[in-house]
Amino acid sequence: AQSVTQLDSHVSVSEGTPVLLRCNYSSSYSPSLFWYVQHPNKGLQLLLKYTSAATLVKGINGFEAEFKKSETSFHLTKPSAHMSDAAEYFCVVSADNYGQNFVFGPGTRLSALP
Amino acid sequence: DGGITQSPKYLFRKEGQNVTLSCEQNLNHDAMYWYRQDPGQGLRLIYYSQIVNDFQKGDIAEGYSVSREKKESFPLTVTSAQKNPTAFYLCASSYQGRTEAFFGQGTRLTVV
Repeated sequence: AQSVTQLDSHVSVSEGTPVLLRCNYSSSYSPSLFWYVQHPNKGLQLLLKYTSAATLVKGINGFEAEFKKSETSFHLTKPSAHMSDAAEYFCVVSADNYGQNFVFGPGTRLSALP
Repeated sequence: DGGITQSPKYLFRKEGQNVTLSCEQNLNHDAMYWYRQDPGQGLRLIYYSQIVNDFQKGDIAEGYSVSREKKESFPLTVTSAQKNPTAFYLCASSYQGRTEAFFGQGTRLTVV
């Protein structure tokens, strides 16, 4: 079975400072991992994905994440936060070839203060 | 442009009524999904379909029904049996295999 833990329900940073959103996963198989962003009353947009290629994955809007198998982690980072980054972020694991086992973390709300 | 279209964006339902949420995709994806999102919570899977004329229950299927008569369309009906239907509903689609899902913009359903 798969599961996802997002260690912080809310993260607050100042604009221009680094962002770290933490994600740990559990999977019986070699997983695919994703980070999505959701702005209020909107759908989810894919930020980046790991599918067993390079362990350091670069995404859109300056975000990146590193897959660490030994730590079962897939933390999301950004060197410098912008106010437009304020949103809900979801870590997702999929370890099934048919995708019905997309398992979503509970989300982390990011606030970016001026 | 390719994508997923959900309609309507806002929907109001009276007690005891059935309502249908529309989801259409032109990405040529085989798999489609319906999720429910409640405030401060993650997404919970209602139904998914891997192929036309076939669909499977997710974690919270009670009180919901779906159909998949065309590859492009996966409508969700919220029946009167769903006791707490007020929520944000998200439709998604993907290729088969462990690829990412693409999401629509959501429908916010409110019981009045």
